[in-house]
Amino acid sequence: AAGVIQSPRHLIKEKRETATLKCYPIPRHDTVYWYQQGPGQDPQFLISFYEKMQSDKGSIPDRFSAQQFSDYHSELNMSSLELGDSALYFCASSLSTGSSYEQYFGPGTRLTVT
Amino acid sequence: QKEVEQNSGPLSVPEGAIASLNCTYSDRGSQSFFWYRQYSGKSPELIMSIYSNGDKEDGRFTAQLNKASQYVSLLIRDSQPSDSATYLCAVIRTGTASKLTFGTGTRLQVTL
Repeated sequence: AAGVIQSPRHLIKEKRETATLKCYPIPRHDTVYWYQQGPGQDPQFLISFYEKMQSDKGSIPDRFSAQQFSDYHSELNMSSLELGDSALYFCASSLSTGSSYEQYFGPGTRLTVT
Repeated sequence: QKEVEQNSGPLSVPEGAIASLNCTYSDRGSQSFFWYRQYSGKSPELIMSIYSNGDKEDGRFTAQLNKASQYVSLLIRDSQPSDSATYLCAVIRTGTASKLTFGTGTRLQVTL
């Protein structure tokens, strides 16, 4: 079965640079979530989109923005990168209809800021 | 106090034994509960979801939910070395548009 696709898988940036992470949800899934996981920590919710509209916002810095496009893929844009932004960034997708709220995670993008 | 609490472990069980993982949550109105398995450096993998009180079984895994006690657990029968991972409990809290709130995870070690 098709899974969530994320690109790139690894990214190295310097401080103050920008980065763009991409996410392609499971086909027919209409909701996309972004999570950040620092070393030794649990995943923290950043932002979500349902049918291309922002549906919820968590602890996402103002330096970050995201959107969902007409083909349902999503991009997380990160500017003025800081050392503390080094983390694993996961995208997850779900299908909002019915009573299931199961989210399936992509392989993640490991961002290293030097 | 975290909204979702788990014992960080490590929980060590011998191969073939039953591993019991526990999780408590603070928001009494939470409706959806999940267990994810995460290997080091990899993404969380959904292994169980449970929405109503009682037990739910899937293969070697059984999830148990007690909303009155705000408690959810995961039992792994016939534990295998490949089950060694961090198990994350996740909750969808009331009015949060389905975002997951995670516990810090319990590290399980299955020994030979």
